[in-house]
Amino acid sequence: GESVGLHLPTLSVQEGDNSIINCAYSNSASDYFIWYKQESGKGPQFIIDIRSNMDKRQGQRVTVLLNKTVKHLSLQIAATQPGDSAVYFCAENLGDSWGKLQFGAGTQVVVTP
Amino acid sequence: EAGVTQSPTHLIKTRGQQATLRCSPISGHTSVYWYQQALGLGLQFLLWYDEGEERNRGNFPPRFSGRQFPNYSSELNVNALELEDSALYLCASSPVYSGVYNEQFFGPGTRLTVL
Repeated sequence: GESVGLHLPTLSVQEGDNSIINCAYSNSASDYFIWYKQESGKGPQFIIDIRSNMDKRQGQRVTVLLNKTVKHLSLQIAATQPGDSAVYFCAENLGDSWGKLQFGAGTQVVVTP
Repeated sequence: EAGVTQSPTHLIKTRGQQATLRCSPISGHTSVYWYQQALGLGLQFLLWYDEGEERNRGNFPPRFSGRQFPNYSSELNVNALELEDSALYLCASSPVYSGVYNEQFFGPGTRLTVL
């Protein structure tokens, strides 16, 4: 079935470097994408979103890129900090299933000093 | 502004019992969503309630049910508990639904353990 998936289950990044987390999606009908951060013992925290009519969106230290041609989504974190250590999920909202977010399996980001 | 709250934090039940989980959305939010996060897995959509009505449902058996109250809080009920129901149950809320582009804000979750 169609799903949202992540290429790298674990990403180790040195403090101060930039991080790139990738996500592949297979449903061309998806209209909306969200990146969430989940720290241990907590619920997912909204990071940034992007609509399908955009290819780039920037937030504070984060940038989301959307490539609809290859159905690829990425989250870039600038100057990664220890507090960025968490599991990152991409999620898509299928255009034909309102309200439902379909999540990828997640990528564990580990920031090393 | 208070975020989404869930209770209880932890819940331990035995097989065959029923579990009730509660969620209070962010003030002003009318939509509530429930997700299941089994250990080591991503989030699986369970239910969506808006204005007291069930709007969408994920691929879960009927023993997973819920409701939304007039104050927009919500309950998730799981009947005839099975061992594989052990998971973190997450509730999210969003403002008045206006289409696809609705940000969902999550609570801390309820950890359900079925023995």
